[in-house]
Amino acid sequence: KAGVTQTPRYLIKTRGQQVTLSCSPISGHRSVSWYQQTPGQGLQFLFEYFSETQRNKGNFPGRFSGRQFSNSRSEMNVSTLELGDSALYLCASRSDPNYGYTFGSGTRLTVV
Amino acid sequence: AQSVSQHNHHVILSEAASLELGCNYSYGGTVNLFWYVQYPGQHLQLLLKYFSGDPLVKGIKGFEAEFIKSKFSFNLRKPSVQWSDTAEYFCAVNEGNTGKLIFGQGTTLQVKP
Repeated sequence: KAGVTQTPRYLIKTRGQQVTLSCSPISGHRSVSWYQQTPGQGLQFLFEYFSETQRNKGNFPGRFSGRQFSNSRSEMNVSTLELGDSALYLCASRSDPNYGYTFGSGTRLTVV
Repeated sequence: AQSVSQHNHHVILSEAASLELGCNYSYGGTVNLFWYVQYPGQHLQLLLKYFSGDPLVKGIKGFEAEFIKSKFSFNLRKPSVQWSDTAEYFCAVNEGNTGKLIFGQGTTLQVKP
């Protein structure tokens, strides 16, 4: 069974640009969550999607957005990038609430 | 707001030593509890989880954790660590069945051979 796949693995963007990250969950998993991991703030919840609907949102500015498609694949978008957005962005999926989340390897975003 | 606190930021042990990593959370309602491990250069992997039932849960690679509701704690233990256990360990809490995991700051474990 394939794991959670995130693309691209690495990304370098310039301040002010926008970026889109992609996540393909494990087949059959309908819940997808996104997290930002930085050395200073640790792992912080961005948002969760289930059946194309955002169910929960973390405390991030509106520049961070996401969506989920009918095949459960998800994308997150960050507009007007700032240097502080440099981080590892992790996607996680699960099949139902009684199971833990399975994480992908992440997308390492560097903003210069 | 819900928070998770891991008491040890950096732990150094010799092989065969016993391990206990502390984790406390602040939410008073129904919670699901997790320990994740991140080996160097790898993605987060689930070690074990607690949803209900027996408060002593066993996970992969010989790890176990005990949920003590009165202390809001979910400490991770392993009787004898190996060099391959060198990694960063994260405690996480999930309020009810929401999809939001709140993570502790992580504990870096270094096991000396």
